[in-house]
Amino acid sequence: DSGVTQTPKHLITATGQRVTLRCSPRSGDLSVYWYQQSLDQGLQFLIQYYNGEERAKGNILERFSAQQFPDLHSELNLSSLELGDSALYFCASSVAGTGLKTQYFGPGTRLLVL
Amino acid sequence: TQLLEQSPQFLSIQEGENLTVYCNSSSVFSSLQWYRQEPGEGPVLLVTVVTGGEVKKLKRLTFQFGDARKDSSLHITAAQPGDTGLYLCAGEPGGTSYGKLTFGQGTILTVHP
Repeated sequence: DSGVTQTPKHLITATGQRVTLRCSPRSGDLSVYWYQQSLDQGLQFLIQYYNGEERAKGNILERFSAQQFPDLHSELNLSSLELGDSALYFCASSVAGTGLKTQYFGPGTRLLVL
Repeated sequence: TQLLEQSPQFLSIQEGENLTVYCNSSSVFSSLQWYRQEPGEGPVLLVTVVTGGEVKKLKRLTFQFGDARKDSSLHITAAQPGDTGLYLCAGEPGGTSYGKLTFGQGTILTVHP
């Protein structure tokens, strides 16, 4: 158990819909990262938040957005869903500060868009 | 965009055999990390190498970072069924991009008893 929790574990929805994935980081961690894992693209970095502010952006679509709240939990919002958005979505967290920090991954949310 | 080529994609071996997984890039990384992921779970960090030429050992696993910090390898000695899983390498560019990990496509290892 990494200490990172993600809900829901599974999500089935239809194209065009909007969903919200939730992540609670390890106690004391200020950084939260979101990743997407699919069979064709592998594991890809989407976005990072640090203490409520966006820190780094990766291959995140404009239909996707995220935020980190004052209690440090984070949400990833996926809208206008397409079949190709079906994937595993992972959240990871790390301790505060700059430089190399170990990321601890949650168990993921499996999204299926029908 | 920094890319990491990981090979082989699939590896099916018998218990007791040795194996090596490779991770190559044309880009320089400030560090290279190896993860293991099991079905239904998130990746778990095995090791981080940060210095060119660095070699780290974790029981039967040996990790090496290339001198130029563009490539890495994972060698497993006397593989066991418990080693079965998805192995991922990930590079961190460093500088202002700490945390933006670039992952290889992964190697699915199956060790048969």
